[in-house]
Order: sequence, then C-alpha cells, then structure tokens
Amino acid sequence: DAGVIQSPRHEVTEMGQEVTLRCKPISGHNSLFWYRQTMMRGLELLIYFNNNVPIDDSGMPEDRFSAKMPNASFSTLKIQPSEPRDSAVYFCASSFFGGGDSPLHFGNGTRLTVT
Amino acid sequence: AQRVTQPEKLLSVFKGAPVELKCNYSYSGSPELFWYVQYSRQRLQLLLRHISRESIKGFTADLNKGETSFHLKKPFAQEEDSAMYYCALSRGSSNTGKLIFGQGTTLQVKP
Repeated sequence: DAGVIQSPRHEVTEMGQEVTLRCKPISGHNSLFWYRQTMMRGLELLIYFNNNVPIDDSGMPEDRFSAKMPNASFSTLKIQPSEPRDSAVYFCASSFFGGGDSPLHFGNGTRLTVT
Repeated sequence: AQRVTQPEKLLSVFKGAPVELKCNYSYSGSPELFWYVQYSRQRLQLLLRHISRESIKGFTADLNKGETSFHLKKPFAQEEDSAMYYCALSRGSSNTGKLIFGQGTTLQVKP
C-alpha cells in the first residue's frame, strides 16, 4: 500500500482563487481526517469523516472552507476564495475506527501558499 | 478545555546524552496519549501510544495522571533521533484519530 496519497504536494495561488486539495486514504480505513499545520497554531484538526460522513467540522475556520468525501477512496478540501492567511501545510490522514483502532496514517501534506 | 502543551520548541543534546521531551495535557476525563514523530522529508508517523506501554526505538513514555504529563524519554540519544516530535491527546471514548496536538518539539542530536 502506498499509504495516504495527497495531491498536489505544493500549491501556489493568488488571493481570491479557488484551491482544491485532494486525498486518497488507505484502502480499508473508514475514518479520514484533514489537519492544518501552521507556525502559529501548530497542527489543528479541521474536519473528520467516518464511513464517508462528516462527523465533526468544528475545526473548519470559516465558510470559505468545505470538505467532501464522495466515496471511501477520495476526499477533497476546498478553499474558496483563498486568502494569504490560509497559507499552511494541509495534511490528510486515515485510520480504522471500531473494534480495535489502527494508528493514524498521515499523507505527505500539501504546502499551500496564497499570495 | 482540552489542551496539550510542549514547553520546548527546540531541544538540543549531544549523542549519547539522555533525552526527555516534555508534554503536559489538560483533560478532565481519561485521555489517550500519543507521541508522533516527523523525520526530515518524511510524513508524520506514530511513535508510541500510552496504552501500548511499549518501547519504540528506545523511547518510552509513561502517563502520569497526577501530574497530567506524558514525557518522552530515551536514555541515550542517537543522531538519527533528530526530528520533530508531537505529543497528542484523544478523548478515550472518541475516535482516536481525532487528536489534539501540542506545538511540537524539534529534537536536535549533535555528534
């Protein structure tokens, strides 16, 4: 298994543009998480899904952020419109929850720069 | 409020010296505590979790509920231990992927 796959690895965009980050979790995992890492705030949970259903989106900063998981093998995190303060590394992670949890497996992250 | 505090942003030691990375948490229930590590140019990965009570790469961590601490220790640091270390907390009853992370500590092991 290649692990959690995120794309793109780097994204540079101008303020006001729409940004879409993509994630493919590990096959068989039923939970998917989006985390954001910044110098100021460290690693923060934005949203997580269980069996493709959003369970907790309390960490999503504002309405400009949205996340979807149309099926068990794909999720997107969209920012529209993007702002310079959204610049961060965005991590996707997956795990199996229930009957013996598996550890959280992280992707390599997407480094987003909004100019 | 649930919180994880790692007081040191950077810890620099010489090879062979003991290492202790501090982690304190704030949570009123029964938490699960974890240490994650990120080596240079690698993804964040689980190092150990308190319920496993195991030693990984020579590292151990004991949950001290009285002091609300989960410090990471290694008796003799190696250069390959240089990395970013994150302490994380999960509510015992919830999905253990829903983690609250500390700010992280960079461990630098000098030759």
